[in-house]
Amino acid sequence: GQNIDQPTEMTATEGAIVQINCTYQTSGFNGLFWYQQHAGEAPTFLSYNVLDGLEEKGRFSSFLSRSKGYSYLLLKELQMKDSASYLCAVPSYNTDKLIFGTGTRLQVFP
Amino acid sequence: DVKVTQSSRYLVKRTGEKVFLECVQDMDHENMFWYRQDPGLGLRLIYFSYDVKMKEKGDIPEGYSVSREKKERFSLILESASTNQTSMYLCASSFRGPQHFGDGTRLSIL
Repeated sequence: GQNIDQPTEMTATEGAIVQINCTYQTSGFNGLFWYQQHAGEAPTFLSYNVLDGLEEKGRFSSFLSRSKGYSYLLLKELQMKDSASYLCAVPSYNTDKLIFGTGTRLQVFP
Repeated sequence: DVKVTQSSRYLVKRTGEKVFLECVQDMDHENMFWYRQDPGLGLRLIYFSYDVKMKEKGDIPEGYSVSREKKERFSLILESASTNQTSMYLCASSFRGPQHFGDGTRLSIL
């Protein structure tokens, strides 16, 4: 079967760094996606990792370890607008369907 | 940029009504998806379609049907709306890459 685990909630301070973890179990790995979703809005695509290592995109970076079934999203220089839910997702084996985690709600405080 | 458009942001219907939610994408994507999102449950797949007139059940298809007569349009139908179908409904499209979401329809069944 397939399963994704993320922490439910996290808090951090403006200007700080936060790491949001995601562990997954999947049959036939084909990459991992991170999405950001502000309250009441649609998820927006942040990153896609298919190989091990760190991918950096400005203030956001995403890391993948396939052997450990583990990924994290790293947010630097946090801003108030980063308060949102962050969803981890993996493709269902041999399809274009995505299996989503329930998301991590991040609150950034001044 | 991919544009996925859902026909309504907010919709209020009565129990027993037949409800249509429309979704249009402009990127010629093969795959289209309908999800519902409820607090604490994350995104749950209702139906998806990988080609015109092709559809597959997702995790929670009961009480719903779909129609894909044209590649760009994917409709979700609530055959006889019930109060437990009050939710946020999200449409997405993809082709060998990340899914791109519409703005969502917040549906209330009274």
